This record gives sequence, C-alpha cells and structure tokens, in this order.
Amino acid sequence: DAGVIQSPRHEVTEMGQEVTLRCKPISGHDYLFWYRQTMMRGLELLIYFNNNVPIDDSGMPEDRFSAKMPNASFSTLKIQPSEPRDSAVYFCASGATGISNQPQHFGDGTRLSIL
Amino acid sequence: QKEVEQNSGPLSVPEGAIASLNCTYSDRGSQSFFWYRQYSGKSPELIMFIYSNGDKEDGRFTAQLNKASQYVSLLIRDSQPSDSATYLCAVRIAGNMLTFGGGTRLMVKP
Repeated sequence: DAGVIQSPRHEVTEMGQEVTLRCKPISGHDYLFWYRQTMMRGLELLIYFNNNVPIDDSGMPEDRFSAKMPNASFSTLKIQPSEPRDSAVYFCASGATGISNQPQHFGDGTRLSIL
Repeated sequence: QKEVEQNSGPLSVPEGAIASLNCTYSDRGSQSFFWYRQYSGKSPELIMFIYSNGDKEDGRFTAQLNKASQYVSLLIRDSQPSDSATYLCAVRIAGNMLTFGGGTRLMVKP
C-alpha cells in the first residue's frame, strides 16, 4: 500500500521564484495536512483539508502561501514569491475519519532551500 | 505557554537502559495523544497512541497518560542505539488536527 507521496524531494531556487510542492495522499484518506518544519519553530501546521475543502488555514504565514486540493488524490502548496526565510522541510500528511484515533501518516517531505 | 511542551534534550541513556520521555499539554479538552519518532533527515513515523488514563504497552514501548496532571510519557525499555532519534509528542484536541511539541532528542550510547 503506497504511503503519502510528495514531490519534489529537494528544491533549490532563487529568491523571488515561484515554488510548487505536490502531495498525493493515501487512497481513501479524507484529511490532508501541510506542515513546515524548521529547527527554530519545530513542526508547524500550515493548512488542512477535509474532503478537498480547506478547513483551517490559520497557520499559513502570509499571502505568499497558497494551497489547493482539486481532487481527493492531489494537493499543492505554492509559494510566490519565495523568500530565504521560507527555507524549511515541508511535509504533507493524510488521515482518515471513521476510525477512532486514526493517526496522520507523513510523506517523506520536500526540503526547500531559497537562495 | 506552548500548547504541547517537551524537553528538547538531548536525553542520553546507555544501551539497555530505560529511556523516559515526557510531554505536557495545556488544553484539558485534549482527546488523544500520539508519539512519533523522527530520524534525522526523515519524516515522523507513528510509534503509539493513547487516549485513556493509564498505561499502554507495545513491545519495548509503553505510553502513559495522566489527564488530571496533563502529561503523557513514553518509556522505551532495553534502549538500543537504533532508538536514537527525536521523539515528537502530538495532541488531538478536536477533529483530526494535531498539535505537536518541539520534540525530545534521544541518544542511546553503546
């Protein structure tokens, strides 16, 4: 059974460029989460979706960040324009309702470096 | 005050010893609690979850929950060098959203 799939695994780009991160959740999961992890701030929730609908985007740092989930098997996180302080590891995770205490399963992450 | 707090460590234990990792949370409405292990450069992976007061055992791992005192702990018996990682405590308050602590770095020395 395939886990959460993220792409790319690594991204290096210059400040001001648009960055798009991609995620394919586990089939059948109806929740999708985007996290950012840095040494200073740890693991932070940016936004999450339920049945493709954004539920809470209060963690999105600013308008430069946007996320979409056009269907149950695909989501994107976009940063435009990118800044050096956006450098971090971005994780996508998915989870399912209907099962008590169902945990979130994480993808391998995208390591983003903005020069 | 952070919603979920952990000592950042590092916590250093000798091989074969018991490692005890602690986590406190602020919201009394918290419903369930998760421990994730994260190796350097890797993604978090679930070790255990617990939602009732008391102990829950799975192999060498035991999760302990005390809702009155608002803490949850993870015990690792017979610690191995392969257990060296950062352990993240996560708390579900409502719905499917988790709040993570900053993690405790564990080092098991041979």
